[in-house]
Amino acid sequence: AAGVIQSPRHLIKEKRETATLKCYPIPRHDTVYWYQQGPGQDPQFLISFYEKMQSDKGSIPDRFSAQQFSDYHSELNMSSLELGDSALYFCASSFGAGVGDTQYFGPGTRLTVL
Amino acid sequence: DQQVKQNSPSLSVQEGRISILNCDYTNSMFDYFLWYKKYPAEGPTFLISISSIKDKNEDGRFTVFLNKSAKHLSLHIVPSQPGDSAVYFCAASALDTGNQFYFGTGTSLTVIP
Repeated sequence: AAGVIQSPRHLIKEKRETATLKCYPIPRHDTVYWYQQGPGQDPQFLISFYEKMQSDKGSIPDRFSAQQFSDYHSELNMSSLELGDSALYFCASSFGAGVGDTQYFGPGTRLTVL
Repeated sequence: DQQVKQNSPSLSVQEGRISILNCDYTNSMFDYFLWYKKYPAEGPTFLISISSIKDKNEDGRFTVFLNKSAKHLSLHIVPSQPGDSAVYFCAASALDTGNQFYFGTGTSLTVIP
């Protein structure tokens, strides 16, 4: 079965650079979630989109922005990168944006900021 | 402020025995809970869920128990298999937090053949 696809899988950037992470949800899923997992930490919710509109906002820094496109894929744009942004970024998708809609996770993008 | 806690960072169990992974939460408004399994270099994989209207949900070798009064849930794996070795996360959400899930810090399970 098709799963959530994230690209790139690995990304190395320097401080103050920008990065764009992409997420392709499971076909027919209309909701996308972004999570950040720092080393030795639990995943932290960043932001979610339902039907191309922002549905929930978590601990996403102002330097980050995201959007969901007409084909339901989503991009997380990160500017003025800091060393502390080095983390594993997970995208998840679900069908529906209600509580109880199971989120299926992608493999993650490992971002390293030097 | 960690709203979902997994106090055991690691657990080792013999193959064929029961694995019990525990999770505690502080927000009494949480009403939906998930367990995820994560292998290295992969994203979390959904395992099993439970809503607060139930106190037990079973799916094959996996059973999740919810004790609302104690704000505690546990995942039982019986019998444990070496392929179960992974990091297990519990996650919780509440109606008033929309679709945002709060994760525990994970428990690394090792099943010894």
